[in-house]
Amino acid sequence: DAGVTQSPTHLIKTRGQHVTLRCSPISGHKSVSWYQQVLGQGPQFIFQYYEKEERGRGNFPDRFSARQFPNYSSELNVNALLLGDSALYLCASSLGSGTREAFFGQGTRLTVV
Amino acid sequence: AQSVTQLGSHVSVSEGALVLLRCNYSSSVPPYLFWYVQYPNQGLQLLLKYTTGATLVKGINGFEAEFKKSETSFHLTKPSAHMSDAAEYFCAVSEGNAGNMLTFGGGTRLMVKP
Repeated sequence: DAGVTQSPTHLIKTRGQHVTLRCSPISGHKSVSWYQQVLGQGPQFIFQYYEKEERGRGNFPDRFSARQFPNYSSELNVNALLLGDSALYLCASSLGSGTREAFFGQGTRLTVV
Repeated sequence: AQSVTQLGSHVSVSEGALVLLRCNYSSSVPPYLFWYVQYPNQGLQLLLKYTTGATLVKGINGFEAEFKKSETSFHLTKPSAHMSDAAEYFCAVSEGNAGNMLTFGGGTRLMVKP
């Protein structure tokens, strides 16, 4: 069975640009969460989606948004990129919104120059 | 609000020696606790978890952790380190009413010397 897949694996953007990151959860999982991991730090929670609805939001500015599609895949969008947005963005999938065990993808490495 | 503190950002042990990585948490409700491992340029892999029941939890690759409520700790141990254990380790907590939102500690980089 395929695990959590994220695309792209790496990308480089310029300050002020927009970026879209994609995530496909494990088959049968209905919840997707997004995390930002800045180099040298632990992951920070950004969003959780379950059944296409936002179920949780971390302390991130409105430049960050996300959505979940009927097939449970998800997109994370970041507008007006700043140098500080450079990080590894991790997607995690879970069976349900209250399920404690999360399975992580390999991440997308975003570099803003 | 929940929080996690990992004491020691870097830990170095010799191959075959005991591994001890420390984690203390703060939670207003009974917590669910996790240890994840991250190899360079990779995502997070679950080592073990505590939800309810037995406080000594065994995970993959010979790791185990003990939940101590009185000490608000969930330290990770392995009796004998292997070179392949060198990686970044993260402790995380999830509160009962927070869905599967995880709060992570800052991580501990484990180095294993031959």
